[in-house]
Amino acid sequence: EAGVTQSPTHLIKTRGQQATLRCSPISGHTSVYWYQQALGLGLQFLLWYDEGEERNRGNFPPRFSGRQFPNYSSELNVNALELEDSALYLCASSLVGKGQGLYEQYFGPGTRLTVT
Amino acid sequence: DQQVKQNSPSLSVQEGRISILNCDYTNSMFDYFLWYKKYPAEGPTFLISISSIKDKNEDGRFTVFLNKSAKHLSLHIVPSQPGDSAVYFCAAKIQGAQKLVFGQGTRLTINP
Repeated sequence: EAGVTQSPTHLIKTRGQQATLRCSPISGHTSVYWYQQALGLGLQFLLWYDEGEERNRGNFPPRFSGRQFPNYSSELNVNALELEDSALYLCASSLVGKGQGLYEQYFGPGTRLTVT
Repeated sequence: DQQVKQNSPSLSVQEGRISILNCDYTNSMFDYFLWYKKYPAEGPTFLISISSIKDKNEDGRFTVFLNKSAKHLSLHIVPSQPGDSAVYFCAAKIQGAQKLVFGQGTRLTINP
């Protein structure tokens, strides 16, 4: 069974530009989560999508946004990039309300975003 | 406000011995706890979890203990193997929500 996939692996942008990161969940998973791991910090929750709707967002400015498509894949958009947005962005997926283990989130390899 | 804390940034253990990783939390509304392992340049890998209604969960070499009164959980790895060398994160889920709150991580090194 294929795991969570993310693209691109690395992304280099300049300050002020926009970045788009993509995520495909495990087949059958309807929930997608985005987390940011800045250098030296733990994982910080960004966004949660389920069944195409944004269900929750973390303490991040509105220039962090995303969407979930009908096939449950997801996109994270970061507008007006700032230097401190440089981080590893991780996507995770899970089953919600579908039975046992509904809280376990399974992570992709991440996208390393570098803002110069 | 760091709701989930892993106070030891690093831990070194001899191969074959027990590794004990600790995690403390402050939010009484957490109802589910998870441990993840992370290798460099990879995403976190789910290891083991425990519901707040239990005090122990075991899966092979991995056992998680939860002490609700002390708001403390620990991960025991027995016996420790070189492949266990990684960063370990504990995470907690708030009742009624799906997002996970992560600790800062503990780097475990298993020495041969």
